[in-house]
Amino acid sequence: KNEVEQSPQNLTAQEGEFITINCSYSVGISALHWLQQHPGGGIVSLFMLSSGKKKHGRLIATINIQEKHSSLHITASHPRDSAVYICAPFSYNTDKLIFGTGTRLQVFP
Amino acid sequence: DAGVTQSPTHLIKTRGQQVTLRCSPKSGHDTVSWYQQALGQGPQFIFQYYEEEERQRGNFPDRFSGHQFPNYSSELNVNALLLGDSALYLCASSSRHRGAYEQYFGPGTRLTVT
Repeated sequence: KNEVEQSPQNLTAQEGEFITINCSYSVGISALHWLQQHPGGGIVSLFMLSSGKKKHGRLIATINIQEKHSSLHITASHPRDSAVYICAPFSYNTDKLIFGTGTRLQVFP
Repeated sequence: DAGVTQSPTHLIKTRGQQVTLRCSPKSGHDTVSWYQQALGQGPQFIFQYYEEEERQRGNFPDRFSGHQFPNYSSELNVNALLLGDSALYLCASSSRHRGAYEQYFGPGTRLTVT
């Protein structure tokens, strides 16, 4: 079993829809990153969180440390949100980021 | 405040050649981690440098080596390039004082080996 599981792997949405991407992990963590990668592009860090909830414009990230689960929500999705979203918890045992397999999101106008 | 910078942005090399990629960390950061991201895959940890020494290493052969300079910038060297080394190479910086979990990523260097 992978240490980090993301779902869904692929997601298609119509512009304006509310999007949720889930991440479950099995290791002890210091913090968790949500990363965005556009096709052919580098990685952009959207959030780093260790508890509760963070909001940035239309993006919201939540984490439940006890349940080892995090979610990324996109409200009023837009075609420019089309990208791969990667969950990456930081393991305090190995002192390293562990990357999920990513969720490929496509938002159509 | 400049973020993490990497150079070059793109690079094409021939099998068997050697390549050097460079990374300048975010201001105030002293730790640099390198990752390889093959097409369609998630990033894989190569190694991490702190105080000019390799502190951790992922499952990569000795053909992959690195260096960190007194100004905290870092180089990734790959010898005897293989076609399979074609990937996006990402650098991330962090501060040992603030915690290695707070990593900031650079834009990456896309290496193509022909």
